[in-house]
Amino acid sequence: DAGVTQSPTHLIKTRGQQVTLRCSPKSGHDTVSWYQQALGQGPQFIFQYYEEEERQRGNFPDRFSGHQFPNYSSELNVNALLLGDSALYLCASSSYRRPHNSPLHFGNGTRLTVT
Amino acid sequence: AQTVTQSQPEMSVQEAETVTLSCTYDTSESNYYLFWYKQPPSRQMILVIRQEAYKQQNATENRFSVNFQKAAKSFSLKISDSQLGDTAMYFCAPTGGTSYGKLTFGQGTILTVHP
Repeated sequence: DAGVTQSPTHLIKTRGQQVTLRCSPKSGHDTVSWYQQALGQGPQFIFQYYEEEERQRGNFPDRFSGHQFPNYSSELNVNALLLGDSALYLCASSSYRRPHNSPLHFGNGTRLTVT
Repeated sequence: AQTVTQSQPEMSVQEAETVTLSCTYDTSESNYYLFWYKQPPSRQMILVIRQEAYKQQNATENRFSVNFQKAAKSFSLKISDSQLGDTAMYFCAPTGGTSYGKLTFGQGTILTVHP
């Protein structure tokens, strides 16, 4: 049973560029949530996707956007990268209709460095 | 809105001893879930234990147990028979029943288990 998988593992981008991160949820899960974790801090919620729509959003600018595909996988896009976007980006999956049977499982994350 | 306070930035314990990590939270939701996650240097966010707020019985998972005090909005984690592999950053995080998947993380507690 595959868990949550994220790609790539590491990424280095230049300020002003755009980046796309990918996440495949755990088998049986249909909801994907994205988090940003700065060094030494707790993760911050970015947004959540279910049925290919953004269902919840945290306090992040419009430069952060996402997408969910029919197979439940998801992408996080960040435009006009800033140095402050350097962080670990974590993806978590769950079941939208059965939260009581669906603990949130995280992937290993993507380390983004903006230079 | 939810808030989380983990008042112990760092804790240390000897191998085989017991340690308790504290967490207080605030939430406007009547139905919610509480999680403890550990994040070792490998950076993967690993689910330790989950508590459903409507259940009065404290959750247990092998050496890990919680003391859930709903009225006081307290959710502490007890680790018995501590092992070297328990060394990690520990995060407390609630999520609402109507906003499941939107975790609010505290600042974390760094736990070091000494041989």
